[in-house]
Amino acid sequence: AQSVTQLGSHVSVSEGALVLLRCNYSSSVPPYLFWYVQYPNQGLQLLLKYTTGATLVKGINGFEAEFKKSETSFHLTKPSAHMSDAAEYFCAVTEGDAGNMLTFGGGTRLMVKP
Amino acid sequence: KAGVTQTPRYLIKTRGQQVTLSCSPISGHRSVSWYQQTPGQGLQFLFEYFSETQRNKGNFPGRFSGRQFSNSRSEMNVSTLELGDSALYLCASSVLPGQGLTGELFFGEGSRLTVL
Repeated sequence: AQSVTQLGSHVSVSEGALVLLRCNYSSSVPPYLFWYVQYPNQGLQLLLKYTTGATLVKGINGFEAEFKKSETSFHLTKPSAHMSDAAEYFCAVTEGDAGNMLTFGGGTRLMVKP
Repeated sequence: KAGVTQTPRYLIKTRGQQVTLSCSPISGHRSVSWYQQTPGQGLQFLFEYFSETQRNKGNFPGRFSGRQFSNSRSEMNVSTLELGDSALYLCASSVLPGQGLTGELFFGEGSRLTVL
């Protein structure tokens, strides 16, 4: 069975500071990993994905994440936070035969202080 | 191109009632998945439909059911509502099943159900 753990349900950073949201996963087979963002009263929007290949993946809005198999991690980073980044972020995993059955982490609410 | 459309966006029901939620996928998308989002349990997979057939089902009681029509629109139904069913119900669509693997899964804004 697969699972996802997001360390820190709330993270607060100052505008311009580094954003680091942590995600660790458990999967018995090579995973497909995702970060989604949810703005208030909206659905989920894909930020970035790791399927195969390069372990450092870049997404929208300046975010990137690195797949580290040895650490079973897929942490999300952004060099400089912007006020518009305030939202809830979800790490998710699925496996080859699970398709659209994503397993999500508990989410991390990012707050950006001016 | 219109996105995934969910109706109604908000609704209030009382315990014991039933509710039906609707999802119209993106044009050309034939796979529809449903997720429940609650503060306590987070985001959980409910079920996935393709070609009017349920392909996968999450770990929810039989009170939760769904169906898909020939035009790919989907409905989910919750019978005998309980307070714990209060949640945001998200629908997601893709062209084909399994495209969640490549991130080609698009979410609607959800239907927020409150059970009193």
